[in-house]
Amino acid sequence: KQEVTQIPAALSVPEGENLVLNCSFTDSAIYNLQWFRQDPGKGLTSLLLIQSSQREQTSGRLNASLDKSSGRSTLYIAASQPGDSATYLCAAPYNNNDMRFGAGTRLTVKP
Amino acid sequence: NAGVTQTPKFRVLKTGQSMTLLCAQDMNHEYMYWYRQDPGMGLRLIHYSVGEGTTAKGEVPDGYNVSRLKKQNFLLGLESAAPSQTSVYFCASSTHGVNTQYFGPGTRLTVL
Repeated sequence: KQEVTQIPAALSVPEGENLVLNCSFTDSAIYNLQWFRQDPGKGLTSLLLIQSSQREQTSGRLNASLDKSSGRSTLYIAASQPGDSATYLCAAPYNNNDMRFGAGTRLTVKP
Repeated sequence: NAGVTQTPKFRVLKTGQSMTLLCAQDMNHEYMYWYRQDPGMGLRLIHYSVGEGTTAKGEVPDGYNVSRLKKQNFLLGLESAAPSQTSVYFCASSTHGVNTQYFGPGTRLTVL
């Protein structure tokens, strides 16, 4: 069974700081791993999808890494901005049709 | 291009009442999903569909039923609502189970 854990549950940083969000998963035989952003009262928006054959994926100030052997993924946010404040969730496949989500890390970037 | 839409946005039910949540997508996706999100927990999969006319159980299917009569629509039904079903419900779609999922805005359901 796939279990996904995200630590910390909440994080507060000053604007401009670089930060790392952590995601761990129990079943390393994954096809890919996804990172999502959720704004309060909104649905999820896909940020990055890393295939199992990749080590990292980049989009703008975001960089996600994947280490299947250790069951870990990280989301690196460079030069954080107040607009980055949101909840970030990672998700790993349980099988080809099912995704398991972490509970998320609530990020606050203070001006 | 509306993406994934959900109807209604909010609903309050009394215990024992029934209701149907509607999800529609205009991206011609084969896969559609229903999740629930509770405070402090990640999203949990209720039911999913891999194509028109198909449905399958997810992680937490009890108390819910679904139907996928048309490719673009996925309905979630509560036959006899219970307070434990108070939650935010999200619908999502994707081209395949391992590809990026696109989410609707959610339906906030309260069962009194």
